Amino acid sequence: TQLLEQSPQFLSIQEGENLTVYCNSSSVFSSLQWYRQEPGEGPVLLVTVVTGGEVKKLKRLTFQFGDARKDSSLHITAAQPGDTGLYLCAGFTGDDKIIFGKGTRLHILP
Amino acid sequence: EPEVTQTPSHQVTQMGQEVILRCVPISNHLYFYWYRQILGQKVEFLVSFYNNEISEKSEIFDDQFSVERPDGSNFTLKIRSTKLEDSAMYFCASRDRVGYEQYFGPGTRLTVT
Repeated sequence: TQLLEQSPQFLSIQEGENLTVYCNSSSVFSSLQWYRQEPGEGPVLLVTVVTGGEVKKLKRLTFQFGDARKDSSLHITAAQPGDTGLYLCAGFTGDDKIIFGKGTRLHILP
Repeated sequence: EPEVTQTPSHQVTQMGQEVILRCVPISNHLYFYWYRQILGQKVEFLVSFYNNEISEKSEIFDDQFSVERPDGSNFTLKIRSTKLEDSAMYFCASRDRVGYEQYFGPGTRLTVT
C-alpha cells in the first residue's frame, strides 16, 4: 500500500518566522501536488512538481521534489496569518490513482 | 476562470436509499475523479474515469458505487444503498490531457441517517 506521511501534523509559529513541512513516502510518484484546504471546502491546487530535484516558487512558498521522487517539502518564508490552513500533499501514481497525505495543519500567530 | 461545480452542496438521506451526486468538470478536461473525505480524516481516492470507462478504483469503490458520464458535461457518482459510514464530503476533480494538475470542486456533504 502506498502511503504519504506528512510532518509535522500540527505547527504553530509566530508571524515572520520561516517554516518547512514535509511529505515522505517509500514509493516513487510520477508527480506530487501540494494543496491547501479550508474547512468545508475542496482542496485548492498550489503546485505540481514532476521532475526529481525540481524546485518551484510561489511568492513566499518554495516547493521541492526529492531527487528520487519519493518526497517533497514546502518551505514558507516570513509566514503570515493568511498562510494559516491545512496543507495537503498528494502523489500521482503511474496508474491514474492519487494518494493523499493526512496534511499539516499550520497556524500562524499574529 | 473555469471551475468544477458540484450539486447538491448538502444531501441528507436515509440509510438504504440511493443517492446521486453530480459534478460538472472543467469543459476541456478529459480525466475525472471522485474522492471522499470523512470528517477529520484524509482525502481518499475512490475512482478515476477516462474515455467513458473507469481507469482505476480503490477498495472503497465496491459494487454499491457507480459512476457515469451521461452527457458531455455531467459526471455522476451513484451510491445504490447508502450506509451510515458513507457519510462524508465527496469531491469531484478533473484534469486535462497534458499535465497532472487536478482541480477540485467544492464538494457535496452527504449525511446518512
